[in-house]
Amino acid sequence: DTGVSQDPRHKITKRGQNVTFRCDPISEHNRLYWYRQTLGQGPEFLTYFQNEAQLEKSRLLSDRFSAERPKGSFSTLEIQRTEQGDSAMYLCASSTVYEQYFGPGTRLTVT
Amino acid sequence: AQTVTQSQPEMSVQEAETVTLSCTYDTSESDYYLFWYKQPPSRQMILVIRQEAYKQQNATENRFSVNFQKAAKSFSLKISDSQLGDAAMYFCAYRSLGDDKIIFGKGTRLHILP
Repeated sequence: DTGVSQDPRHKITKRGQNVTFRCDPISEHNRLYWYRQTLGQGPEFLTYFQNEAQLEKSRLLSDRFSAERPKGSFSTLEIQRTEQGDSAMYLCASSTVYEQYFGPGTRLTVT
Repeated sequence: AQTVTQSQPEMSVQEAETVTLSCTYDTSESDYYLFWYKQPPSRQMILVIRQEAYKQQNATENRFSVNFQKAAKSFSLKISDSQLGDAAMYFCAYRSLGDDKIIFGKGTRLHILP
């Protein structure tokens, strides 16, 4: 195990389509986070899991967004009816206590 | 709500020289963590250095050190002996003690001039 992985790395979709991203955390980490990073900005928190429980959701996470972490392992982030404003880098991170380890991100482009 | 401000969108430094990146933050809490993260072009973000607010001693990691001024709510990063591999976006970040999410600044893009 070498770190947090995300799939796909790039996704281009047409407006109105649904997309799903996957994150595989570092195996012994029980906490998993999703962030969104738009051009020229720092990452913004979206949601957080401890094991399989989703403990916090940002107001940025509209009803079109849903995240799951079945069995406390990998996580998926789904965006329904994508809009151009959803174009961003979606980052996943995992942690034990202090340090969050980030994955390479999924870059979403909505055309 | 906590905020993190990085007032320098871009900086440049000559290779082997020293550079300081600025960061200020706003919080009403007394216990928290501060971080500097590095995001190289097209590569994943990695933690450079961490500071616990209750510690008066400034954190140091090899060529990277911080100047933590709690009363002024200032947290600058000093990079000594800059190397080409230091070129990246640097994000200052804050985390409350009882919270798990990290609040990031907008970042400073650091260029290393050969």
